[in-house]
Amino acid sequence: GAGVSQSPRYKVAKRGQDVALRCDPISGHVSLFWYQQALGQGPEFLTYFQNEAQLDKSGLPSDRFFAERPEGSVSTLKIQRTQQEDSAVYLCASSRGANTLDEQFFGPGTRLTVL
Amino acid sequence: QKEVEQDPGPLSVPEGAIVSLNCTYSNSAFQYFMWYRQYSRKGPELLMYTYSSGNKEDGRFTAQVDKSSKYISLFIRDSQPSDSATYLCAMSAGFQKLVFGTGTRLLVSP
Repeated sequence: GAGVSQSPRYKVAKRGQDVALRCDPISGHVSLFWYQQALGQGPEFLTYFQNEAQLDKSGLPSDRFFAERPEGSVSTLKIQRTQQEDSAVYLCASSRGANTLDEQFFGPGTRLTVL
Repeated sequence: QKEVEQDPGPLSVPEGAIVSLNCTYSNSAFQYFMWYRQYSRKGPELLMYTYSSGNKEDGRFTAQVDKSSKYISLFIRDSQPSDSATYLCAMSAGFQKLVFGTGTRLLVSP
């Protein structure tokens, strides 16, 4: 069965450009998460959706970061006016339900490099 | 100071060795404790999940939680070269979001 997919896998942006990163969760999964993983670090939580509702966006580092999941399936993470410090791997995860005990399945990530 | 501390390694061991990986944490609200394995250029995958103090065993893997000391461990018995990866501890206070450690890079040599 298909897992979580993310596109593009690699993105190079010039400083100041806007980027959009896509996540296709496992079909039917209610919960969707975005994490940011800097080089040599563990993933850091960015935001959480339950269906189309964004229930937690406490990890978004600035108002340049915006995420949406309008129909409760595919999600897009948008970064406006990219900065060098935004360079990282952006991981998407989905889980079947809304319970903490539900396993989060991670995608392979999108590696963003801002020049 | 980070909520979750983990030695980044690398930790190099010969094949067949017992590996011990550890994390400490500061947030008493953490109730759920996980270990993930991450291969290079891949997303993390869940290895073990516990929510109480004590030991949990699954094949060659044993997860240990000591809430009184705020300390968790993962033991790998009979380590294999295919176990070479980064091991991430993760914790949750029950609100879905996971807080990860830095990850420990493990290298198992044949």
